[in-house]
Amino acid sequence: AQKVTQAQTEISVVEKEDVTLDCVYETRDTTYYLFWYKQPPSGELVFLIRRNSFDEQNEISGRYSWNFQKSTSSFNFTITASQVVDSAVYFCAHYNYGQNFVFGPGTRLSVLP
Amino acid sequence: EAGVAQSPRYKIIEKRQSVAFWCNPISGHATLYWYQQILGQGPKLLIQFQNNGVVDDSQLPKDRFSAERLKGVDSTLKIQPAKLEDSAVYLCASSLEPEEGYTFGSGTRLTVV
Repeated sequence: AQKVTQAQTEISVVEKEDVTLDCVYETRDTTYYLFWYKQPPSGELVFLIRRNSFDEQNEISGRYSWNFQKSTSSFNFTITASQVVDSAVYFCAHYNYGQNFVFGPGTRLSVLP
Repeated sequence: EAGVAQSPRYKIIEKRQSVAFWCNPISGHATLYWYQQILGQGPKLLIQFQNNGVVDDSQLPKDRFSAERLKGVDSTLKIQPAKLEDSAVYLCASSLEPEEGYTFGSGTRLTVV
């Protein structure tokens, strides 16, 4: 069965610092999807990105970037020049056909002014 | 496009009482999910519906939890009788194609005292 590990329980940074959130997954599948979700204090899980297992290109979206490395089963998320509004819990998740999303335990990011 | 609607937003009940949560998914999304998120943990799937049929309820505590999606649109999750350990946020999500990602509602925060 697939498993998602987010080793960092909590991270605190000062505004404008860069921060990387780690995600390591376990799967026997060759085709799968990885996701990052943000959960702000309001509670709603907000979709950030999806990556399929055949696309190892890194992606950048504004201050957000993602590094997918199949060789190390990692899908890390970097926020550049962090802002207070980035404070939230971030979840990494794995999905494969015929199964359900498996979420990691989440990393709580606090960005201090 | 309207998001996933959930109500109530908050609920406090005494143990052994019953409670019901309501979810209205995004229009056209055939698949609906109920997740339980205990404080400090990632969401855990309780039940998945495809239209009005149950696809996966393997992690639903059926002695006290029940869910229905009678007309294949909105859904109700019920707990009867509630226990202290049921205190959590109950998230509803829907999807058109799961590999595209789920859209989550804001959740219902349940406190059992």
